[in-house]
Amino acid sequence: GAVVSQHPSRVICKSGTSVKIECRSLDFQATTMFWYRQFPKQSLMLMATSNEGSKATYEQGVEKDKFLINHASLTLSTLTVTSAHPEDSSFYICSALGTDNSPLHFGNGTRLTVT
Amino acid sequence: DAKTTQPTSMDCAEGRAANLPCNHSTISGNEYVYWYRQIHSQGPQYIIHGLKNNETNEMASLIITEDRKSSTLILPHATLRDTAVYYCIVRVVGNEKLTFGTGTRLTIIP
Repeated sequence: GAVVSQHPSRVICKSGTSVKIECRSLDFQATTMFWYRQFPKQSLMLMATSNEGSKATYEQGVEKDKFLINHASLTLSTLTVTSAHPEDSSFYICSALGTDNSPLHFGNGTRLTVT
Repeated sequence: DAKTTQPTSMDCAEGRAANLPCNHSTISGNEYVYWYRQIHSQGPQYIIHGLKNNETNEMASLIITEDRKSSTLILPHATLRDTAVYYCIVRVVGNEKLTFGTGTRLTIIP
């Protein structure tokens, strides 16, 4: 079945630094990828939609200059959390949509801790 | 996308069938019902989806009422590894965004 790989699975960084999270579709081409954020004991919240070769579309309330998304190829999207602060600590999850009618598949998430 | 309503939590004995209900009374004709689950500290896992007919795969069965206003996910023989949060989502064909509600926290009891 479709596999989405996310890296790293865990990252700890200092306040003010930037962190890049990668999302790869391993056995299919993903025209669209989605980035979600999940705080403890809460549901997933969509942050942005990333289309290959074009600018990402951000959900209301998500700062595009803080959460930089790049979708340079059909198998890779990256999310960079710039100037991270402790309140950015969360579980970040990507998902990828193939070119056929298969369901959306998710990566295993990245737990970001900002100290 | 239509809103869904699910019980906050449920328990089920190991080896028994787990039946997870979902109400989607405002579902429209072109919206599918999707089920995902999330095991602690992992990404959501696709389970099954359907439009109006009942569906079955190796993981579960999906029963959709004739009026499509509700559905039930059935895990036929629950194991401890089925403990997770189960999300019922309705999605318009062509809109690939998935909006997650609060889901049902299913606990399988040994």
